[in-house]
Amino acid sequence: DGGITQSPKYLFRKEGQNVTLSCEQNLNHDAMYWYRQDPGQGLRLIYYSQIVNDFQKGDIAEGYSVSREKKESFPLTVTSAQKNPTAFYLCASSMFGGAGQETQYFGPGTRLLVL
Amino acid sequence: AQTVTQSQPEMSVQEAETVTLSCTYDTSESDYYLFWYKQPPSRQMILVIRQEAYKQQNATENRFSVNFQKAAKSFSLKISDSQLGDAAMYFCAYSFKYGNKLVFGAGTILRVKS
Repeated sequence: DGGITQSPKYLFRKEGQNVTLSCEQNLNHDAMYWYRQDPGQGLRLIYYSQIVNDFQKGDIAEGYSVSREKKESFPLTVTSAQKNPTAFYLCASSMFGGAGQETQYFGPGTRLLVL
Repeated sequence: AQTVTQSQPEMSVQEAETVTLSCTYDTSESDYYLFWYKQPPSRQMILVIRQEAYKQQNATENRFSVNFQKAAKSFSLKISDSQLGDAAMYFCAYSFKYGNKLVFGAGTILRVKS
């Protein structure tokens, strides 16, 4: 089955610790995205990548970092600089260029909690 | 900057009845896309329906249809014959034509009563 997987489902972070959220897709999509969802709110864009080895900051990139070494993978690191990391994190992917590039498909999400 | 507003934090509907969720948006673009996503308790975001701004015809997907009023910048979702499985948070979202970002509204919780 084609789709997007995120792991882990739940993640706990200690103060001062960096943690990495995994996102993998086998849809052959070029573009990948990371969103943050806080309780009772819509999603906000953290980072996105349209091609391998290239990525751009979204609206709330401070305290986060990403890499895009493979087309299928777009891991997100929540650094110690992110002072309020407790949230639900969603990864998405889409085509890039041409029809369908505007439609994003989402993974199941990772819930990050601070100990 | 583009914004999306969902003015109904919560809505209720009786099973088998029809409900309409409201969404307004603000943009200076003439060509763009609008979406409704559903987020059930599992929290997986599921695409419900998509509308291309340059198309006059309202999009339809089975029991889900939209009323797209471009001049009014309004994009409402109508759910017919509501089912218990329709209970979820519904998000309206906007994308540029060559989209690299979705702008989301705050969401509307839909409760379905049996």
